[in-house]
Amino acid sequence: SQTIHQWPATLVQPVGSPLSLECTVEGTSNPNLYWYRQAAGRGLQLLFYSVGIGQISSEVPQNLSASRPQDRQFILSSKKLLLSDSGFYLCAWSGGSYGYTFGSGTRLTVV
Amino acid sequence: SQQGEEDPQALSIQEGENATMNCSYKTSINNLQWYRQNSGRGLVHLILIRSNEREKHSGRLRVTLDTSKKSSSLLITASRAADTASYFCATAYLNAGNNRKLIWGLGTSLAVNP
Repeated sequence: SQTIHQWPATLVQPVGSPLSLECTVEGTSNPNLYWYRQAAGRGLQLLFYSVGIGQISSEVPQNLSASRPQDRQFILSSKKLLLSDSGFYLCAWSGGSYGYTFGSGTRLTVV
Repeated sequence: SQQGEEDPQALSIQEGENATMNCSYKTSINNLQWYRQNSGRGLVHLILIRSNEREKHSGRLRVTLDTSKKSSSLLITASRAADTASYFCATAYLNAGNNRKLIWGLGTSLAVNP
C-alpha cells in the first residue's frame, strides 16, 4: 500500500537559519507531489507541485524553494527563514483522479 | 486565487445529531473531494464525487453534488464525539496546461459534544 512520510513533526528555527523539510512516498511510482502551507484556522495554500524528477512548479512567490531529486522524494527548503514562514507544512501525493494522500505535517515556528 | 467556500465556518452539535456542511465553488470541475483534519494533523481523504455523479455514500457520510448550483454538501449522520475535526472541500479541475489542480475551501470546524 502507498504511504507518505514527512518529517520532522515540529521544528523551531531562528530567523535567518536554513530550512529543509523532507517528504518521501512509498508504494507508488511517478506520483504528483505537493507542498502546502496552512496558516492557523485557514485553508491550504499550494506552494509547489511536481509531476516528475526535477520538475517543480511554484504557485506563489516566496522565500521557499522545492526540489525533487528522486521520484519519490520531495524537499522544501529555504536559505534564510523569515518570521512569516511560520506555519503548518503539509506534503501530499496524488496518483491520478483520486483523492490526495497527505503526510502528517510539520509545524514550523520561526523565532 | 479562487477558493471554494464552506459554510458554516463552525458548527457545534450534540452526539447523535446529524451534521451538514456545505461547499460552493466557482469553476467547472472534474470532481469534488471532502477531507477531514484533526487538530494539528494532516488531512484525510473522505469521499471523491465526480462531476457526473449526484450523490455518494460512505458509511455515515453522504455527499451530494449539484453542478447547476455549483455546490456540494457533506452530511454526517448519527455524529460521534470522534467526528470533531475540521472538514474541507476541494474542487479539482484542469488548468490551461492540462494539469489537475485543486482549489481548497477554508473549512468547517465541527464540534460534537458528548
